Amino acid sequence: KAGVTQTPRYLIKTRGQQVTLSCSPISGHRSVSWYQQTPGQGLQFLFEYFSETQRNKGNFPGRFSGRQFSNSRSEMNVSTLELGDSALYLCASSPQGQGIWYGYTFGSGTRLTVV
Amino acid sequence: TQLLEQSPQFLSIQEGENLTVYCNSSSVFSSLQWYRQEPGEGPVLLVTVVTGGEVKKLKRLTFQFGDARKDSSLHITAAQPGDTGLYLCAGVEAGGTSYGKLTFGQGTILTVHP
Repeated sequence: KAGVTQTPRYLIKTRGQQVTLSCSPISGHRSVSWYQQTPGQGLQFLFEYFSETQRNKGNFPGRFSGRQFSNSRSEMNVSTLELGDSALYLCASSPQGQGIWYGYTFGSGTRLTVV
Repeated sequence: TQLLEQSPQFLSIQEGENLTVYCNSSSVFSSLQWYRQEPGEGPVLLVTVVTGGEVKKLKRLTFQFGDARKDSSLHITAAQPGDTGLYLCAGVEAGGTSYGKLTFGQGTILTVHP
């Protein structure tokens, strides 16, 4: 079956712009989580959506937001981009409530570069 | 301070050697998961351990969850160049609201030389 699909793979934006990243989970998976990965901070949790509802949020500024659609696809948005937002953004999906016990499937990520 | 302290950060060994990576915390976890990540790709799940004292084997890889569910280790026997990569431990904290939230260690970059 198809894995977690993230688009686009690469993105270059200018400071002050906004960006939208997309994540399509594995068919049947209703939970989608987003992470930011940087060399200095490693992988940090952004937020998690389940059935179109945000259930959990990490310690990121309000410029980072997300949403989930009825087909479980998710988008995250970063407004007013800063140089420090340059990172690999990863999404992960799991079946309902199962990620804790059975693990998560990650996409290949979107590499965002802010110049 | 990292909630999950992973060590060592870097490991460079010869093919055929054994190695152990550690993941420690003062917090209790509902589960501890190990992932391997290749450059430019997302992490790939290796194993999930959920019971204190649990040991799981995946070919040459052995994973252990501490009795108190605060620590874990990954042991690789007879490492091969194909084992090269970034190894990440990640935990789901017990109690509280942990929906979809994995807390990651800083990772161990393993290089196995032929």
